Amino acid sequence: DGGITQSPKYLFRKEGQNVTLSCEQNLNHDAMYWYRQDPGQGLRLIYYSQIVNDFQKGDIAEGYSVSREKKESFPLTVTSAQKNPTAFYLCASSITGRISGNTIYFGEGSWLTVV
Amino acid sequence: QKEVEQNSGPLSVPEGAIASLNCTYSDRGSQSFFWYRQYSGKSPELIMFIYSNGDKEDGRFTAQLNKASQYVSLLIRDSQPSDSATYLCAVNRGNYGQNFVFGPGTRLSVLP
Repeated sequence: DGGITQSPKYLFRKEGQNVTLSCEQNLNHDAMYWYRQDPGQGLRLIYYSQIVNDFQKGDIAEGYSVSREKKESFPLTVTSAQKNPTAFYLCASSITGRISGNTIYFGEGSWLTVV
Repeated sequence: QKEVEQNSGPLSVPEGAIASLNCTYSDRGSQSFFWYRQYSGKSPELIMFIYSNGDKEDGRFTAQLNKASQYVSLLIRDSQPSDSATYLCAVNRGNYGQNFVFGPGTRLSVLP
């Protein structure tokens, strides 16, 4: 089945530790995104990538890093510089261009908790 | 003023009633509008999108867009308890996904 796979679903991070969230899609979408959602809040864009080997900062990129070495993969690293990383992280993808309004489709999400 | 605003709710409706969810946006250049449903602890799933002024119907769902008033709404007819979720309004300000802006969501509760 086509879709977006995120792993792990639950992750615990110790203070000062970097952690990486995986995101893989087999929808053949060019664009991929990472969002953060805090309880009762809307989604905020962390990073996005429209093409392999290129990515751009979103609204809240500080303390995060990404790579886009393959079209299918867009991992997110939460670094120790991110002081309040506890949140629900959503990976998403879309086609580019003006077809279908660039509808964004989401993976199942990853819960990150600082311990 | 936030870019996309929604009443946080909760909005409670009895089973079988029409649920009306509202969203306003600030950027007049916005081009397309989306409604997502998000169950507690789950990721958002697309319900429908709309580009043009007027109504768009899909099953029990109707999206309504009024660009002059910068207003988009979602009507859910014959509401079911399974419709209980948070509904996110999203606005695409441009041609690409990085211009998506999400509202905080409205929590809907359908009472049996």
